[in-house]
Amino acid sequence: QVQLVESGGGVVQPGGSLRLSCAASGFPFSSYGMHWVRQAPGGGLEWVSFITYDGSSEYYPDSVKGRFTISRDKSNTLYLQMNNLRPDDTAIYYCVRQRTGGGYSSFAYWGQGTLVTVST
Amino acid sequence: EIVMTQSPATLSVSPGERATLSCWASQSVSSNLAWYQQIPGQAPRLLIFGASTRATGVPARFSGSGSGTEFTLTITSLQSEDFAVYYCQHYYRWPYTFGQGTKLEIK
Repeated sequence: QVQLVESGGGVVQPGGSLRLSCAASGFPFSSYGMHWVRQAPGGGLEWVSFITYDGSSEYYPDSVKGRFTISRDKSNTLYLQMNNLRPDDTAIYYCVRQRTGGGYSSFAYWGQGTLVTVST
Repeated sequence: EIVMTQSPATLSVSPGERATLSCWASQSVSSNLAWYQQIPGQAPRLLIFGASTRATGVPARFSGSGSGTEFTLTITSLQSEDFAVYYCQHYYRWPYTFGQGTKLEIK
């Protein structure tokens, strides 16, 4: 069965950096586009980044563009490098596999999330 | 950016009754629309994709309809486990965006 396990969350000061990891299993990782989605405490969902199945393209919303970088490797791991963190980046970060391998697709599988807190 | 708007913010319905949740897109997203259910303390779960196709394992009491800019999620014969927050999301183009959510609570 599909499993997505996030790690790397924690408390960081404003302006700091953090790298999140997501260990994927139960499906051919190199065949699926992957996303990060976040949810502020008590808030709604915000899509944060996407990487194609082969890592050739990445997409970001304006809120994190230039600060966050998504990547993936052949060990079935997805990453999110977060730099210049701000208090409004505080959220649970979910690793998500889209439903289909390529193209525009819904979010079929979600990890349990890892909490990032940006605070002094 | 396409803005997704959900209504109502909170919906109070009795178990066994029907719930109708609405979602609007600020411009057409064709049928590239998904619905998610989130129970407190859990990750979201995909319910509907393609505006009307149930995801694997989703009970038949959940149905989605609409295309373009207006969408509806209908839940018939509400069960206790259905009381949760529901989000719509488009995946028509970047950036993907979500609605603000509808909280379905027990009346």
